[in-house]
Amino acid sequence: AQSVAQPEDQVNVAEGNPLTVKCTYSVSGNPYLFWYVQYPNRGLQFLLKYITGDNLVKGSYGFEAEFNKSQTSFHLKKPSALVSDSALYFCAVSRLSGTYKYIFGTGTRLKVLA
Amino acid sequence: SQTIHQWPATLVQPVGSPLSLECTVEGTSNPNLYWYRQAAGRGLQLLFYSVGIGQISSEVPQNLSASRPQDRQFILSSKKLLLSDSGFYLCAWSVPGRETDTQYFGPGTRLTVL
Repeated sequence: AQSVAQPEDQVNVAEGNPLTVKCTYSVSGNPYLFWYVQYPNRGLQFLLKYITGDNLVKGSYGFEAEFNKSQTSFHLKKPSALVSDSALYFCAVSRLSGTYKYIFGTGTRLKVLA
Repeated sequence: SQTIHQWPATLVQPVGSPLSLECTVEGTSNPNLYWYRQAAGRGLQLLFYSVGIGQISSEVPQNLSASRPQDRQFILSSKKLLLSDSGFYLCAWSVPGRETDTQYFGPGTRLTVL
């Protein structure tokens, strides 16, 4: 079965420290991978995507993600966390069986401590 | 540029009452449109998606229905709401035929069924 896993329910990090939010996937073929962020009572905002090419993808607000095909992972990273980065982060995969549909992970709540 | 609108932003409805949530997209033609439900501030469940006027695919059998009367309008409806219909409803759009398949989300509607 195709799936996306975000193994950490919550990640706490001190402001100024690097952060990593983990995502692994299990799909057939070559998926497209996405990261979204959600602030309370708001819609999801697109951060970045991996389609093909360079395994390190840079996105909005200083975030980046590294695609690792052998480990089937797509971890979200930022060199220096800000308190304003505190939010809910979702990993998603698309191109499932030739459709436009996404599978979302269950989300990871990031809390950046001042 | 493209924008997506959802209304109302919040809604409180009694059990057994009807529902109509509206989503409109501006600045693009013939988008793919999606309805998601987010329960308990976490996982997203795809409810319906549409690749054109009058073309609706249902992902999960339930008390809800969707319609697309115009190219950039997507409506989520129910004849009789259940308590379990409470949640945060998100509409999204994407550009068909583009390799990236990035979905862009609206601000959401918070539905509380009492």
